[in-house]
Amino acid sequence: SAVISQKPSRDICQRGTSLTIQCQVDSQVTMMFWYRQQPGQSLTLIATANQGSEATYESGFVIDKFPISRPNLTFSTLTVSNMSPEDSSIYLCSVGGGQFLNEQFFGPGTRLTVL
Amino acid sequence: AQTVTQSQPEMSVQEAETVTLSCTYDTSESDYYLFWYKQPPSRQMILVIRQEAYKQQNATENRFSVNFQKAAKSFSLKISDSQLGDAAMYFCAYRSANGANSKLTFGKGITLSVRP
Repeated sequence: SAVISQKPSRDICQRGTSLTIQCQVDSQVTMMFWYRQQPGQSLTLIATANQGSEATYESGFVIDKFPISRPNLTFSTLTVSNMSPEDSSIYLCSVGGGQFLNEQFFGPGTRLTVL
Repeated sequence: AQTVTQSQPEMSVQEAETVTLSCTYDTSESDYYLFWYKQPPSRQMILVIRQEAYKQQNATENRFSVNFQKAAKSFSLKISDSQLGDAAMYFCAYRSANGANSKLTFGKGITLSVRP
């Protein structure tokens, strides 16, 4: 299995600012995913981050708003830029593929509130 | 594109009783994985059970079992001997078996409450 940590666990931010969320995995993984979970809703995939290549964004999500870095096989960051109250959500990091082909593991999530 | 549908937003079960959570999906692929995830108030996503589409036998994990009907594209979760700790949000999810496309597609989820 994979153990995933995220920082920060929660934050309250002002409108117009940016927040960078970190995701650290205890083993090397091929694919890392970033999901958004709005209050009381399901998880929606923002983007897939592969090491050594640009992230692949899902429909409705753009790089300017959610830039992602993937500098190595155990770490990734997601930045939520120019935040508005509509960005208030839980952001979850997940890993899968490769040695985790049959399963996908999730981090504990980052609860973001934008005022 | 694949879709996952959970039509029941909420369910309630008496402690020690059995409850079944429904899920249907749509795909044109023949090989894929289906999952049930549990999300308690702590918001940590916990894998409950996994089913490979090529397996006819229904997956079982202790008190949790599935009824996988591939032709009907149905994947329900049965929880036996319900416990208070089972109260959570449950998500059904689909993933292609194509290794290049490992993303999960989730249903809307169902909130399960357990009455003591």
